[in-house]
Amino acid sequence: AQSVTQLDSHVSVSEGTPVLLRCNYSSSYSPSLFWYVQHPNKGLQLLLKYTSAATLVKGINGFEAEFKKSETSFHLTKPSAHMSDAAEYFCVVTTNTGNQFYFGTGTSLTVIP
Amino acid sequence: NAGVMQNPRHLVRRRGQEARLRCSPMKGHSHVYWYRQLPEEGLKFMVYLQKENIIDESGMPKERFSAEFPKEGPSILRIQQVVRGDSAAYFCASSRQENTEAFFGQGTRLTVV
Repeated sequence: AQSVTQLDSHVSVSEGTPVLLRCNYSSSYSPSLFWYVQHPNKGLQLLLKYTSAATLVKGINGFEAEFKKSETSFHLTKPSAHMSDAAEYFCVVTTNTGNQFYFGTGTSLTVIP
Repeated sequence: NAGVMQNPRHLVRRRGQEARLRCSPMKGHSHVYWYRQLPEEGLKFMVYLQKENIIDESGMPKERFSAEFPKEGPSILRIQQVVRGDSAAYFCASSRQENTEAFFGQGTRLTVV
């Protein structure tokens, strides 16, 4: 069975400080993992994906995530938060057949000026 | 290449009416997924379709909800006799193949009054 747990429903950081959004997954297979971002009243945008290549994945807008199999984690990080990063972030795992995407409940990121 | 197009963006229906949500996948994509996002919750999988076939509808309510993806035209999510609890954002995603990233539309926000 596949599932995703996003450990924090809300995260607040000051502009210019690091961002850490935590995600743990459960998968019966070698997973594919994704982070999506959703800005208010917008659709979901892919930030980055892991599909069994390099464990450190770089995405758009300075975000990156590290796949740690021993910890079953795929935390999202960014060295320096920008005001435009304020949004909802979803961690996603797919089945080995890729026909279902399992979403976490989301983490709302607030960036304080 | 336009992204995934959903329409309408906003839909208001009275209780008991029917709601039809449309999704045009990206060009070259033959896999379509529908998700529902209830307020304060993450996205929940509803149904996965390929052209003319429903592959997985395990997330779809058994009553009142149906989905199709005809050979020609957009995918349609149909909700009959809507109730207030159907109020949510409904997202469609498409992918080229299984186990590749899905691209999401901007969603249809259904409000049942």
